[in-house]
Amino acid sequence: GAVVSQHPSRVICKSGTSVKIECRSLDFQATTMFWYRQFPKQSLMLMATSNEGSKATYEQGVEKDKFLINHASLTLSTLTVTSAHPEDSSFYICSAFMGGTDTQYFGPGTRLTVL
Amino acid sequence: DAKTTQPTSMDCAEGRAANLPCNHSTISGNEYVYWYRQIHSQGPQYIIHGLKNNETNEMASLIITEDRKSSTLILPHATLRDTAVYYCIDGRDDKIIFGKGTRLHILP
Repeated sequence: GAVVSQHPSRVICKSGTSVKIECRSLDFQATTMFWYRQFPKQSLMLMATSNEGSKATYEQGVEKDKFLINHASLTLSTLTVTSAHPEDSSFYICSAFMGGTDTQYFGPGTRLTVL
Repeated sequence: DAKTTQPTSMDCAEGRAANLPCNHSTISGNEYVYWYRQIHSQGPQYIIHGLKNNETNEMASLIITEDRKSSTLILPHATLRDTAVYYCIDGRDDKIIFGKGTRLHILP
C-alpha cells in the first residue's frame, strides 16, 4: 500500500515554543492532505484540509493562526503548532489522498507533549 | 458528525472469522464505503473499500448490501494482532469524519 511518513514521531517542548511536524507521501503525489488530532481514548478529529499551492481549510473551532499549515509540494505538508501550551499536547496524524485509488493513507502520527 | 453507526465493541475468538457490521443509511450513490483500523498509538491503517460490489483483498472481505445501507467487514481468521479499533466511513474524495468505531477484542 501507499506510504505516508511523519516526522518527528515524538516531540517534547516547553510552553510558548513552536513545533513543526512534517507529513510526506513517499511513493505517490498528493494534492490534498489532511491533519487530525486525537486525544486519549477519543476518536480522530479533523483539524484542516491542506491543498497544494493554496490556503488550508480549517474545521470549525480550529485556530488557523495557531495551527499553521503549509503544503508547498505534492509530497509534503507541514503543521506548525505556534506558541504551544500544555492543552495542545496530543497525537497529531496526517493523511494523504491518493487520487488513483480514491483512498486516504495515514501517517504513523506524532505525539506532542508540551511541558 | 460521523454518518455511520457501528457497535461500540465486539469480541472474537482467535482463529475464527470476525464480522464487523456498519450502518451507512445516508450514503450517496457515488460514495465509497471505507474501512480503516487503528492499533493503539498508531495512525489508522487502510483495510479495504468498495462502492457496490463485494470486495476482497489480502486483509479482509467487504460485503455491501444491495441497497448499500449497510456493510460487513470480515476478517477471515482473526489473530491477536487484529485487536484494534475498526472504523467504517462513507465518503469519496473529501475529508473523512471519524466516528467512535468498533473496538475489536481477539480472545486467545
